Amino acid sequence: GDSVTQMEGPVTLSEEAFLTINCTYTATGYPSLFWYVQYPGEGLQLLLKATKADDKGSNKGFEATYRKETTSFHLEKGSVQVSDSAVYFCALIHSTGNQFYFGTGTSLTVIP
Amino acid sequence: DAGVTQSPTHLIKTRGQQVTLRCSPISGHKSVSWYQQVLGQGPQFIFQYYEKEERGRGNFPDRFSARQFPNYSSELNVNALLLGDSALYLCASSLVVGGIYEQYFGPGTRLTVT
Repeated sequence: GDSVTQMEGPVTLSEEAFLTINCTYTATGYPSLFWYVQYPGEGLQLLLKATKADDKGSNKGFEATYRKETTSFHLEKGSVQVSDSAVYFCALIHSTGNQFYFGTGTSLTVIP
Repeated sequence: DAGVTQSPTHLIKTRGQQVTLRCSPISGHKSVSWYQQVLGQGPQFIFQYYEKEERGRGNFPDRFSARQFPNYSSELNVNALLLGDSALYLCASSLVVGGIYEQYFGPGTRLTVT
């Protein structure tokens, strides 16, 4: 079945460091891929998405490219800020379905 | 516009009791989904409703049930609560954009079963 695997956390970075959070997926066909962010005590917020191979989703300085050949959708940011501290979830939805599959989440802490 | 709203925010119940959680979708959204997020894990799909009909069900026991009302709001019911039902319950309303469901999540209801 469909599934998402994220890199283990937690991740701790200094402000202005480069961020990569790895995400790989297993799915038949061509799923759409998403990154969600969850701040402490809150629900999930959509960060970015990509709906087909080689698409690049971007928002608030974060980027992720849909790589069909490696079944990956790694999240990157060139310079993190303290305010980026949160839990990041990679997710997919199959093109014929309406159920999201989430990874286990990666906790990011950015220190000044 | 108001986002997805959920009530209550927090809830404490005892094993064996029953609980009802409520969700109001974003105006204009006709689809509502429910997820369970256990501490330290990603959300797990429970149900999806569209136009008051169940469109999807995750791998959860029959103790879990839901319904959607004519105004598209929804309720999630859990009977015979177990300690393992303690979790954050998230509601998401959906909009289809280019054939893909975009889900917008509410802040969740934190359920503690003692």
